[in-house]
Amino acid sequence: GQNIDQPTEMTATEGAIVQINCTYQTSGFNGLFWYQQHAGEAPTFLSYNVLDGLEEKGRFSSFLSRSKGYSYLLLKELQMKDSASYLCAVRDNYGQNFVFGPGTRLSVLP
Amino acid sequence: DGGITQSPKYLFRKEGQNVTLSCEQNLNHDAMYWYRQDPGQGLRLIYYSQIVNDFQKGDIAEGYSVSREKKESFPLTVTSAQKNPTAFYLCASSSTRGASGNTIYFGEGSWLTVV
Repeated sequence: GQNIDQPTEMTATEGAIVQINCTYQTSGFNGLFWYQQHAGEAPTFLSYNVLDGLEEKGRFSSFLSRSKGYSYLLLKELQMKDSASYLCAVRDNYGQNFVFGPGTRLSVLP
Repeated sequence: DGGITQSPKYLFRKEGQNVTLSCEQNLNHDAMYWYRQDPGQGLRLIYYSQIVNDFQKGDIAEGYSVSREKKESFPLTVTSAQKNPTAFYLCASSSTRGASGNTIYFGEGSWLTVV
C-alpha cells in the first residue's frame, strides 16, 4: 500500500530554523518531492531528492534516506511569508504517479 | 506562457446535477491528474491519465468521470453520484520522459460548492 506521514501542524518563530519530517511506505520509489501551498492556492514545487543525502536551495534544504523511508525539509531564516502548508510527495515507479502526504501546516510567529 | 488552465475558478452545483471542470495544458505533458483537497487536508487522487484515450482510477474515483480525447485536455465531470462534492479540485500534469526529477505542475484550482 501507499502511506506517507507528516506532522499535522508546526509553529516556529521568525528568523528561526524549522525541520518538517516525512516518512513514507510506497509500492515503488522514483523520487521524493516537497511542495509549498498557501491557503486557497495551488501547490508550488520546492525541492526534489532521488538519491540519499542533502539538497540545498537557498533557505530551503531537503534530505532523503531511502533505506529508512525518511525525508525532511529544512527551512532557515524563517519569514512570515513561509506560513503555509508543506506537502511531501513520492513518485512511484509503476504508474508514474505522485502520492501526497497529508501536509504540514506551518505557522511562523513574529 | 506555458501552463495549466483550469476553469471555472468557482462553481456552484445543485443537488442531482452533473458539472464538468475543464483542464487544459500547453506543456506537452503526457500525464495528467485530478486531485481533490478538502479543507485542512492533503491531496487525494481521483483519476489520472498517462496517454491519450487511456485513464486510470485513483483512490477516490467513485462519483467522478473523465475523458482524455486530446493530449492537452483532461476534463473532470462530478456526477450526481458523488454525495459530498464540495471541495477544492486541482488538475496537474507532468512529463513521463527524461529525468525522474520531472515534477508535477498544478493549475490554479477550482472551488466546487453544492447549494
